[in-house]
Amino acid sequence: NAGVTQTPKFQVLKTGQSMTLQCAQDMNHNSMYWYRQDPGMGLRLIYYSASEGTTDKGEVPNGYNVSRLNKREFSLRLESAAPSQTSVYFCASSVEHTALYGYTFGSGTRLTVV
Amino acid sequence: RKEVEQDPGPFNVPEGATVAFNCTYSNSASQSFFWYRQDCRKEPKLLMSVYSSGNEDGRFTAQLNRASQYISLLIRDSKLSDSATYLCVVNDGRGSTLGRLYFGRGTQLTVWP
Repeated sequence: NAGVTQTPKFQVLKTGQSMTLQCAQDMNHNSMYWYRQDPGMGLRLIYYSASEGTTDKGEVPNGYNVSRLNKREFSLRLESAAPSQTSVYFCASSVEHTALYGYTFGSGTRLTVV
Repeated sequence: RKEVEQDPGPFNVPEGATVAFNCTYSNSASQSFFWYRQDCRKEPKLLMSVYSSGNEDGRFTAQLNRASQYISLLIRDSKLSDSATYLCVVNDGRGSTLGRLYFGRGTQLTVWP
């Protein structure tokens, strides 16, 4: 089915471990985004990529890095996981960077850092 | 000041009730407006776009007041399946520069039998 695919769906890490969250879309969208969602905080933007070859920081980029591998794929890396990074991570994509038509979200990655 | 402010809820209503959610946004240059629905432990999904003239989709009616920077969602004849969190969403209206959506924290709705 067309859409945004995230892997893994669940992950438990120990403090200090690293991991990469993968995201791929098959809708030929130009822009992609990484959000985290915490109880009572709503969705907060970590990083985004307006188009292939560009990335920019969002509201909460500290502790994360991203790679726009190609038009389809946008990965999020935690270099040294901390308990404060326990969250649900959503990848999203949009047709173009002005998001005039909204986003399509992946199903999320539930990350626990112990 | 947050970009998007919503009624925090929760709203608990019986089946068949009419319920309204409100939202205000701070950026007068915003161009696109949406309501998203998020079920428990699921991703947000687009419920409907909101147009200046107001728009309706079945039991759902959305209104936009650009002068007051106010968006509303009305749900008529509530169903049990309407139970979810409703997110008010606006874009940042920067046009050709890097744009993005801003999400409200959501309003939780529970419809009881």
